[in-house]
Amino acid sequence: TQLLEQSPQFLSIQEGENLTVYCNSSSVFSSLQWYRQEPGEGPVLLVTVVTGGEVKKLKRLTFQFGDARKDSSLHITAAQPGDTGLYLCAGARGAQKLVFGQGTRLTINP
Amino acid sequence: NAGVTQTPKFQVLKTGQSMTLQCAQDMNHEYMSWYRQDPGMGLRLIHYSVGAGITDQGEVPNGYNVSRSTTEDFPLRLLSAAPSQTSVYFCASSYTAAGGRGGYTFGSGTRLTVV
Repeated sequence: TQLLEQSPQFLSIQEGENLTVYCNSSSVFSSLQWYRQEPGEGPVLLVTVVTGGEVKKLKRLTFQFGDARKDSSLHITAAQPGDTGLYLCAGARGAQKLVFGQGTRLTINP
Repeated sequence: NAGVTQTPKFQVLKTGQSMTLQCAQDMNHEYMSWYRQDPGMGLRLIHYSVGAGITDQGEVPNGYNVSRSTTEDFPLRLLSAAPSQTSVYFCASSYTAAGGRGGYTFGSGTRLTVV
């Protein structure tokens, strides 16, 4: 059973469109992280959110942590080909090790 | 550049062979872990360590062995390679198991093929 469910698993859109990726769980997390992985490389941390309702922006990427700290979303505005990659969410429960979602593979077509 | 260094980047093994995947970090992180990444399966935890001399199993430990004699190094040993171990392997490190604000730092991976 996957503790963190990401949706969609695959997304292919045209350059300039907006998109949202979701990370959902029935469990409460003390913090949630988002990573991006490019082909042939390891995941790289984008952001960490720790407070329920927290919103963080990274240029055209907006990350939100749900009020109940059970879910998170990543919204990309005006997607560009450089946004292509595998997006992973990961949740921490107290001092326990991170739990990763299965990832969303995003392709932005020029 | 500070970070996590994995070697080799690519490896082909024959069934039954053994080998060691190397992982080294220079950030003085206490927590280190090994994952395998397969299509559609996400990252699956193999083994992890919360400090030198302390290791524990993750969700898919069978066929793999680890040791942590120093803070910097966390090698992963394949005892007798099987085709099911064909995968991409990632080593990660962090100050804490939960990652904290800085999250996990990942190496660039080892792509292993067992024939």
